Amino acid sequence: ETGVTQTPRHLVMGMTNKKSLKCEQHLGHNAMYWYKQSAKKPLELMFVYSLEERVENNSVPSRFSPECPNSSHLFLHLHTLQPEDSALYLCASSQDFSRGYNEQFFGPGTRLTVL
Amino acid sequence: AQSVTQPDIHITVSEGASLELRCNYSYGATPYLFWYVQSPGQGLQLLLKYFSGDTLVQGIKGFEAEFKRSQSSFNLRKPSVHWSDAAEYFCAVGATGGYQKVTFGTGTKLQVIP
Repeated sequence: ETGVTQTPRHLVMGMTNKKSLKCEQHLGHNAMYWYKQSAKKPLELMFVYSLEERVENNSVPSRFSPECPNSSHLFLHLHTLQPEDSALYLCASSQDFSRGYNEQFFGPGTRLTVL
Repeated sequence: AQSVTQPDIHITVSEGASLELRCNYSYGATPYLFWYVQSPGQGLQLLLKYFSGDTLVQGIKGFEAEFKRSQSSFNLRKPSVHWSDAAEYFCAVGATGGYQKVTFGTGTKLQVIP
């Protein structure tokens, strides 16, 4: 595997379910990100981890819970979601969180549908 | 805080025609600027970026962009569009101080017709 991978690619869940999204980067990067992409809205940054430490939490509801066990893996745990949480969830990584000119490398995303 | 505006939600061009996608940003200093492309079912891929030096930046797939400070713009251009360029294009602005917060525009969807 190369680049940034995400599993599953598609997920349908009920509002009472608990599920997790997984992201893995094979680039040796130090920073990882979760974004939410909804139709006709800008990408919304949800969480940022730098060297496994959370450095950004953009007022995301507690029903989304991130976890970064090491610099290569990032999870997004989901529970009691709402239909408006249906979106494409993108994971990204970059070499160094503190350098604004670093390119972010994105995974293909998980298409989440909440019924 | 920085912001970015992509005024065109959807653009249609004929294959072989030239393309210009508009991007305007708001930031108190010279920002870092990026153009990403997203093909259907895929994540975003960097086309090019500007952070200093020559204001005309060359990217992958034959794209270029020009940073114009006086107009707060960073428009993306391609002289001859191919059908495979059909995708959604995102302009993004990054802060030059502190941590790497990047703000994305709402995107421009490009349709290419034969």
